[in-house]
Amino acid sequence: EAEVAQSPRYKITEKSQAVAFWCDPISGHATLYWYRQILGQGPELLVQFQDESVVDDSQLPKDRFSAERLKGVDSTLKIQPAELGDSAMYLCASSFFGLAGEDGELFFGEGSRLTVL
Amino acid sequence: AQSVTQLDSHVSVSEGTPVLLRCNYSSSYSPSLFWYVQHPNKGLQLLLKYTSAATLVKGINGFEAEFKKSETSFHLTKPSAHMSDAAEYFCVVSDRDSWGKLQFGAGTQVVVTP
Repeated sequence: EAEVAQSPRYKITEKSQAVAFWCDPISGHATLYWYRQILGQGPELLVQFQDESVVDDSQLPKDRFSAERLKGVDSTLKIQPAELGDSAMYLCASSFFGLAGEDGELFFGEGSRLTVL
Repeated sequence: AQSVTQLDSHVSVSEGTPVLLRCNYSSSYSPSLFWYVQHPNKGLQLLLKYTSAATLVKGINGFEAEFKKSETSFHLTKPSAHMSDAAEYFCVVSDRDSWGKLQFGAGTQVVVTP
């Protein structure tokens, strides 16, 4: 069964360091999402791509976070510099969405857990 | 604007007894509604979804949910809890005009006791 792949699964870093997370969505899925999930809370959307274009990055802290999906396939989420409050699970999800933006199921990866010391 | 409220942060049930997880939503348009489950250190998995078809939706692992527009609710139920149901459950709403943007509730932690 096709899965969303994420790496690394766990990352421990010191504050002010740079961190990067990678996501490979299910083949053929045009839409890719990065979510942040703080312990005890529901996931919060950081950025949404439709193919290689950003559809929504309104909740992305752009002073330190960046995301790219250059060829419309895999994606990288970067944090520089990392802060203590960035400690969270970073979840990638993908879906097959038509251009009309129809609702559909999101398929989530297992996430990348970040701990900032 | 869309939002979702899960009325219980924690639910504890005995194995073999019914499970009820409550969810209320707010949406400007005809919503799609979902329940996702998250086991420890795992990604989220879709349990079931409502997309304007039948109001009683059946999902995986014996779960079902009923969409009640008059009450703006989408409660999740299961007749008999299993130990493997222990997990966090998220109610999710999506507006049709929001490019599939999902709004997650805060989650309900389910504990199943023997």
